[in-house]
Amino acid sequence: GAGVSQSPRYKVAKRGQDVALRCDPISGHVSLFWYQQALGQGPEFLTYFQNEAQLDKSGLPSDRFFAERPEGSVSTLKIQRTQQEDSAVYLCASSLGTDIYGYTFGSGTRLTVV
Amino acid sequence: AQSVTQLDSQVPVFEEAPVELRCNYSSSVSVYLFWYVQYPNQGLQLLLKYLSGSTLVESINGFEAEFNKSQTSFHLRKPSVHISDTAEYFCAVTSTGGFQKLVFGTGTRLLVSP
Repeated sequence: GAGVSQSPRYKVAKRGQDVALRCDPISGHVSLFWYQQALGQGPEFLTYFQNEAQLDKSGLPSDRFFAERPEGSVSTLKIQRTQQEDSAVYLCASSLGTDIYGYTFGSGTRLTVV
Repeated sequence: AQSVTQLDSQVPVFEEAPVELRCNYSSSVSVYLFWYVQYPNQGLQLLLKYLSGSTLVESINGFEAEFNKSQTSFHLRKPSVHISDTAEYFCAVTSTGGFQKLVFGTGTRLLVSP
């Protein structure tokens, strides 16, 4: 597609439920980032992939958060045993190379944990 | 590590008036600087960036920002705003080395009224 696609657009989860958020980057983009944007805050870095390799996961808040990109294209962010503080917009971004020039964000998935 | 401060959470302004959105950063290494705009229910869009060279950078829709290393600032300005400029604006910084994860400020909501 022409842009970064994220699904679902909205997700409501009961506390304790597991969720999976999907990101389809622009075709051919090497770099893929996940960010978390809490209400009223700026996005915060979660994790970074270069192709299928997860090179940095220092921003993942706890071991309940897990991300993968097994074939170097589509990525999934999984949150186990969701808690209310996980409620946020999860943004995915991709870039053609490993530099900052072609950084494109998706529209995000809004997760609400009730 | 880097950090970004956007002191103004909200800036109300009348249409056709000038506006300045303030951004200050902190970093012990060389940085690249960015302004992103976020319209309601949409992803982040790159407005402009400073990578090197001229300290004054401009966007295609009339915004400009000036990198001031001594004051560690990257304020965003527009001489005459339109109603359509109403949005959330985020300043972001990244180091010039590595894979360049972005560190965002908390955002400034620009409210343009007629």
